[in-house]
Amino acid sequence: DAGVIQSPRHEVTEMGQEVTLRCKPISGHDYLFWYRQTMMRGLELLIYFNNNVPIDDSGMPEDRFSAKMPNASFSTLKIQPSEPRDSAVYFCASSFGTPGEQYFGPGTRLTVT
Amino acid sequence: AQSVTQPDIHITVSEGASLELRCNYSYGATPYLFWYVQSPGQGLQLLLKYFSGDTLVQGIKGFEAEFKRSQSSFNLRKPSVHWSDAAEYFCAVNTDKLIFGTGTRLQVFP
Repeated sequence: DAGVIQSPRHEVTEMGQEVTLRCKPISGHDYLFWYRQTMMRGLELLIYFNNNVPIDDSGMPEDRFSAKMPNASFSTLKIQPSEPRDSAVYFCASSFGTPGEQYFGPGTRLTVT
Repeated sequence: AQSVTQPDIHITVSEGASLELRCNYSYGATPYLFWYVQSPGQGLQLLLKYFSGDTLVQGIKGFEAEFKRSQSSFNLRKPSVHWSDAAEYFCAVNTDKLIFGTGTRLQVFP
């Protein structure tokens, strides 16, 4: 298996633009997680899905952030409009049967100028 | 509330020396515990996990961890550190989601 796939790996955009991050989980996994990592705040869980249904979005910072999982093999995290404080590395992870044993993607480094 | 504490932000060891990274958790029930490692520029990789049974668990890359319920600890150990072990290490407890500690950055000197 190719592991969790994230695209793009790097994204540079200007403040106010829409940003869409993409994730393909490991085939057969039923949990999908979106995290954000910064030096100041560490690793933060934004939202997670079970069987394509959002279970907990309490970590989503504000209405500018939205996430979808239209099917078992694809998820998006959208930021609209983007702001400089959104600059971070965003990770997608997936797991099977339990939220615990997660497999992480390589991350998307987002820079908002 | 469930939480994970990693009291050491940064640890430096010499190559070949032994290593112990500390982790304390707060969780009412029997915890599921994990250690993850993050190399620079990469995502997190699972090192080992504890669900039940033997309190000493073995993981990849020669790491092991010991679950001590009386101390609410799950410390990570390695008898001889290699330069390639330099990375950030995260302890986590599984509730309905993973609760991560703040991480310990390991630096290895030759």
